[in-house]
Amino acid sequence: SQKIEQNSEALNIQEGKTATLTCNYTNYSPAYLQWYRQDPGRGPVFLLLIRENEKEKRKERLKVTFDTTLKQSLFHITASQPADSATYLCALGGNTGFQKLVFGTGTRLLVSP
Amino acid sequence: DTEVTQTPKHLVMGMTNKKSLKCEQHMGHRAMYWYKQKAKKPPELMFVYSYEKLSINESVPSRFSPECPNSSLLNLHLHALQPEDSALYLCASSRQSGTGLHEQYFGPGTRLTVT
Repeated sequence: SQKIEQNSEALNIQEGKTATLTCNYTNYSPAYLQWYRQDPGRGPVFLLLIRENEKEKRKERLKVTFDTTLKQSLFHITASQPADSATYLCALGGNTGFQKLVFGTGTRLLVSP
Repeated sequence: DTEVTQTPKHLVMGMTNKKSLKCEQHMGHRAMYWYKQKAKKPPELMFVYSYEKLSINESVPSRFSPECPNSSLLNLHLHALQPEDSALYLCASSRQSGTGLHEQYFGPGTRLTVT
C-alpha cells in the first residue's frame, strides 16, 4: 500500500541553524510534491511545489529537493527562527488523479532562541 | 483576496442532529475540496469538486453529504454522525487545469465534536 512517511519525532533545533526535514514514500509515483506548513488549530499553508523532473527548488530561506530514485524529498529551512516552529507536511499528487493530494504524516519543528 | 473562509469555527452536535458546514472562496478557483483531520494526523481527502461537479468521493460514509451550489461555495451536510467523526474539517480550493499542478488554499477549519 502507499506510504508517505516523515520524521515522526519532533525536530528541535537552535535559532540560526538549518532545519532539514525528510519525506519518504513507497508504492507511489508522484508527478509532483508539495510542502505545507500547519500551525495548531489552523489549516495548512502552501510553501513550495516541485515537479518530478526537477531536482531542487528555492524560495527565500526555503529549499526543497526531490529524488525520484530514492523516493525522497528533503526540505531545508536556513537561518531558522522561532517563528518557523510549526508542523510541516509533504503532500504528493499526480498518481491517482491530478486533483488528489495525499499528505505525509508531518514533522513538528521546534526552533528555540 | 487569497482567503478561504469556513463557518462555523466550532460545532457541537448530537448523533441525531442535522447540521451543515460552509466554505467560501472568491479567488475564482474551480476546484474545491473537503478534508478531515484528526488530532496529530495529516489531512485526509474526503471529496473533490471540479467545476461544481463531484469529481472524487473517497468512499466517505453517506452521513456526510457534500454540495457545491456555485463556484464560490461548498457545503458539507452532516446527519446521524458518530463520535468518531469528531475532527477538524478543512475546506480548500485551487485553480483547475489539466496538469493539476496547483497549490491548494486551505480555510481555518471547523472543529466538530459529536456527542
